[in-house]
Amino acid sequence: SQTIHQWPATLVQPVGSPLSLECTVEGTSNPNLYWYRQAAGRGLQLLFYSVGIGQISSEVPQNLSASRPQDRQFILSSKKLLLSDSGFYLCAWSVRLGNQPQHFGDGTRLSIL
Amino acid sequence: GENVEQHPSTLSVQEGDSAVIKCTYSDSASNYFPWYKQELGKGPQLIIDIRSNVGEKKDQRIAVTLNKTAKHFSLHITETQPEDSAVYFCAASMSGYSTLTFGKGTMLLVSP
Repeated sequence: SQTIHQWPATLVQPVGSPLSLECTVEGTSNPNLYWYRQAAGRGLQLLFYSVGIGQISSEVPQNLSASRPQDRQFILSSKKLLLSDSGFYLCAWSVRLGNQPQHFGDGTRLSIL
Repeated sequence: GENVEQHPSTLSVQEGDSAVIKCTYSDSASNYFPWYKQELGKGPQLIIDIRSNVGEKKDQRIAVTLNKTAKHFSLHITETQPEDSAVYFCAASMSGYSTLTFGKGTMLLVSP
């Protein structure tokens, strides 16, 4: 069966520091991968998605970037965190784009001080 | 692009009552409609989904109905239990190079 892992589960970072969140999927090949941000416990904002290694689509211009160095690895990064980057970051995967379910990890709670 | 509206934003029911959450979508090309349940501190979990060639789907105490003409779909939970308390999200997508568009969520509170 397929599983998705995100780490860390919780992260506290100072303003201006770098960020790296990692997501990996097991049990499937060539998944589509997604990063979402959820603020105030409600609403899912799609940040990035990827249909293959090195292929990243950005939905919202911002202080963050994403990379996919391996088939089942998706990384969310920032060079300098802002206070507004605080939130709950969720990774998800699907078999393909379009009319398919997405399966979510358990998220990373990011607090910026 | 697609727009999904979800109502109500908060729903409080007594244990044993039924709960109904409604969503409308804007793009008639959408043909896939999943529902997710998110418990506190966890990621959303798929609980049921429906495709446009079906009008209703049931899974034990939960059911989803779809009205393609009116472009709305609903989640029905019968005999609610305290463990049903969570935030529920609806979503819509279409075939091809598209992603899921989510509603803003409904916080369901089931009181014992």
